[in-house]
Amino acid sequence: SQQGEEDPQALSIQEGENATMNCSYKTSINNLQWYRQNSGRGLVHLILIRSNEREKHSGRLRVTLDTSKKSSSLLITASRAADTASYFCATVPSGSARQLTFGSGTQLTVLP
Amino acid sequence: NAGVTQTPKFQVLKTGQSMTLQCAQDMNHEYMSWYRQDPGMGLRLIHYSVGAGITDQGEVPNGYNVSRSTTEDFPLRLLSAAPSQTSVYFCASSLKQMNTEAFFGQGTRLTVV
Repeated sequence: SQQGEEDPQALSIQEGENATMNCSYKTSINNLQWYRQNSGRGLVHLILIRSNEREKHSGRLRVTLDTSKKSSSLLITASRAADTASYFCATVPSGSARQLTFGSGTQLTVLP
Repeated sequence: NAGVTQTPKFQVLKTGQSMTLQCAQDMNHEYMSWYRQDPGMGLRLIHYSVGAGITDQGEVPNGYNVSRSTTEDFPLRLLSAAPSQTSVYFCASSLKQMNTEAFFGQGTRLTVV
């Protein structure tokens, strides 16, 4: 079963615009992670946010976490054509750090 | 530093055949795992290992076996391939369980006919 569900499933924007993707999950978590997957490639880790954190930044990425709503968002600012990829959230449940459960992903297309 | 290496990249099997997907990491990571990715879905965990000699089942373990005799290697065996096992398989590793980032291999695209 999918723990995280991303919204929207697909997003198309112009270069230079901001892109926001949302992730909802069902159970209490230890941490939440975001990954990027370029077409035909493996996943690349973007950012990890722990359950006691509310916001993290990394370059053009901003991640928020609201544990009361069981949701997270990933914001990519000033998007570039190279940001075109699928983005996945993944959760690690509280009490056990042995499994990373992925959502179904958001396909982001950045048009030049 | 090669990271996580998967072989082969592509494979076609006939129904009933067996094969082993190889995964090796050179980062001295304790934790390794196998996922499958089907169209329109995220990754689903097949098996994982928290260290040499220790393996456990994930969400979709049926039809697959694993072993972890060394820290570096974590092969995935398909015992008797079925068309439902057509998928892209990813191996991942992390330093200690999933409290840190996971590093993924480039994937093996498997087709069972």
